[in-house]
Amino acid sequence: EVQLVESGGGLVKPGGSLRLSCEDSGFSFSDYTMNWVRQAPGKGLEWVSSITNYDYIYYADSVKGRFTISRDNAKNSLYLQMNSLRAEDTAVYYCARNLVLQGVSVYFFDFWGQGTLVTVSS
Amino acid sequence: EIVLTQSPATLSLSPGERATLSCRASQSVSDYLAWYQQKPGQAPRLLIYDASNRATGIPARFSGSGSGTDFTLTISSLEPEDFAVYYCQHRSHWPPTFGGGTRVEIK
Repeated sequence: EVQLVESGGGLVKPGGSLRLSCEDSGFSFSDYTMNWVRQAPGKGLEWVSSITNYDYIYYADSVKGRFTISRDNAKNSLYLQMNSLRAEDTAVYYCARNLVLQGVSVYFFDFWGQGTLVTVSS
Repeated sequence: EIVLTQSPATLSLSPGERATLSCRASQSVSDYLAWYQQKPGQAPRLLIYDASNRATGIPARFSGSGSGTDFTLTISSLEPEDFAVYYCQHRSHWPPTFGGGTRVEIK
């Protein structure tokens, strides 16, 4: 059974830092592109960042230069280092796996974690 | 970036009724569109990918159609567990973006 379990959320002051983790099981983690997607309270979904199985990395403009995505295939884990946090970064952060269609990884998300809440407030 | 506009914002229906949700893209996304269902306190669940393909384990009452800029998610007969928020998402251009969602509520 595929499982993605996020951790590391919490309350942080503006300008502060936080590191999120996503521990994955039930699939060959190293073969998949992984993503972070966030959802502000009562709002819609926003793609944040991706890391491919070849370690190509992409960021939304809203977090570029402040967030860093990484992965540790030996630990089946995905990370998001968040620096210079702002109030508008307040959201539930989900890790999500890319869908693979006929051997091709595509940017739809077929498995999601339960999310971890990040609150940026003084 | 491509903007996806979903309508209506809220759909009030009774169990057993047919639900028709719309997603319109600001430019063509070909058929590279997905639909997700999200219930309160839960993560989104992939329902439909590439406009009309049901994801694994999704009941046949869910169907998707459309291409280019106009897409539809149809739930043929609403079950009690289908009352939720539905989002569309494209993968046609970078970055992938989501629509604002349609809430399907019990009338």
